[in-house]
Amino acid sequence: GNSVTQMEGPVTLSEEAFLTINCTYTATGYPSLFWYVQYPGEGLQLLLKATKADDKGSNKGFEATYRKETTSFHLEKGSVQVSDSAVYFCALSGSEKLVFGKGMKLTVNP
Amino acid sequence: NAGVTQTPKFQVLKTGQSMTLQCAQDMNHNSMYWYRQDPGMGLRLIYYSASEGTTDKGEVPNGYNVSRLNKREFSLRLESAAPSQTSVYFCASSDLNPGLGSPLHFGNGTRLTVT
Repeated sequence: GNSVTQMEGPVTLSEEAFLTINCTYTATGYPSLFWYVQYPGEGLQLLLKATKADDKGSNKGFEATYRKETTSFHLEKGSVQVSDSAVYFCALSGSEKLVFGKGMKLTVNP
Repeated sequence: NAGVTQTPKFQVLKTGQSMTLQCAQDMNHNSMYWYRQDPGMGLRLIYYSASEGTTDKGEVPNGYNVSRLNKREFSLRLESAAPSQTSVYFCASSDLNPGLGSPLHFGNGTRLTVT
């Protein structure tokens, strides 16, 4: 079945540091890929998505590229802020269900 | 816009008690989902409803039942709560099939403790 493996952390960075969160997947066919973010005390919200190979999703300075050859969808941000402190989830869907990775907690210190 | 509304926000149950978690969405979405979130486990799908009148099991359905009452509402019932069901429960909805890129919209969760 479909599955997602992502970095679990927790990770602590200083403000303005570069962020990479690795995500690889196993799926049949051509799934859609997503990154969700969860701020403390809240539900998950969509950060970005890509629906086909070589698509790049971007939002709020975050980017991720759908790489079919390496089955990856790594999340990157060039300069993190304190407000980026949250839990980040990689997810995929090849059908009506969404499968999530285990999440990675990021803390950004001033 | 309210989006996805879950009630209650917090609940404490004793082992063996029953309760129903309520979820309603006002976005006219077709699909609705129940997930549980546990430390180190990410989110795991309990049940989902791809359209009004249908429900299907997810990854961890044992100990739960669901009802898609109408297009707006999707409830999750614990008939006899167990400590292993202590978790944070999230309801979500989507307009189209997530496989087509349609994102899920989440409620703010219900934190359930079973003693």
